[in-house]
Amino acid sequence: TQLLEQSPQFLSIQEGENLTVYCNSSSVFSSLQWYRQEPGEGPVLLVTVVTGGEVKKLKRLTFQFGDARKDSSLHITAAQPGDTGLYLCAGETGTASKLTFGTGTRLQVTL
Amino acid sequence: DAGVIQSPRHEVTEMGQEVTLRCKPISGHNSLFWYRQTMMRGLELLIYFNNNVPIDDSGMPEDRFSAKMPNASFSTLKIQPSEPRDSAVYFCASSFESEAFFGQGTRLTVV
Repeated sequence: TQLLEQSPQFLSIQEGENLTVYCNSSSVFSSLQWYRQEPGEGPVLLVTVVTGGEVKKLKRLTFQFGDARKDSSLHITAAQPGDTGLYLCAGETGTASKLTFGTGTRLQVTL
Repeated sequence: DAGVIQSPRHEVTEMGQEVTLRCKPISGHNSLFWYRQTMMRGLELLIYFNNNVPIDDSGMPEDRFSAKMPNASFSTLKIQPSEPRDSAVYFCASSFESEAFFGQGTRLTVV
């Protein structure tokens, strides 16, 4: 079983603070995706990283794929209340696009 | 496109009853996934189909769970008989290459 551990599990911060969420596995993935899920909704894709060492930026969000393609991080700069949600990483094995999801990080940003 | 459509959105049933969850994937997508999400276990892959064929059902908890995909535009997940521990949010997702698009989920409560 491929396990993706995310840390921290919960994070409560104030608006304007920076934070980093980690996603770690002992398995190698062909790609890694980050999703955000809001209450009552399904997860929505934020980004896909494919190449080891790859860094992608999406406004205030920076995503990095580890060199060995086993881990990833999500960094948010100057968090805003709209960033509140459940952040999920998901590793793809390349077999018919099967995704294995991480344990999730629940982020709350307060004013 | 309306996205992935799941029905019903909410289902409350008594223990021992049969429950059928329905999913209409996005037209043109060739992979379909059923996930279950709980606070304790996070998002778990139950089964996925590629071109209507079940590829991996190793996540299906036990024989009480079954899934079908009779055509490219429809899939069902059936639980018979249902038990209180089956209470969770069940998500259907579809994809064409790697990005998975999720439905809004069915919140199942078995009492």
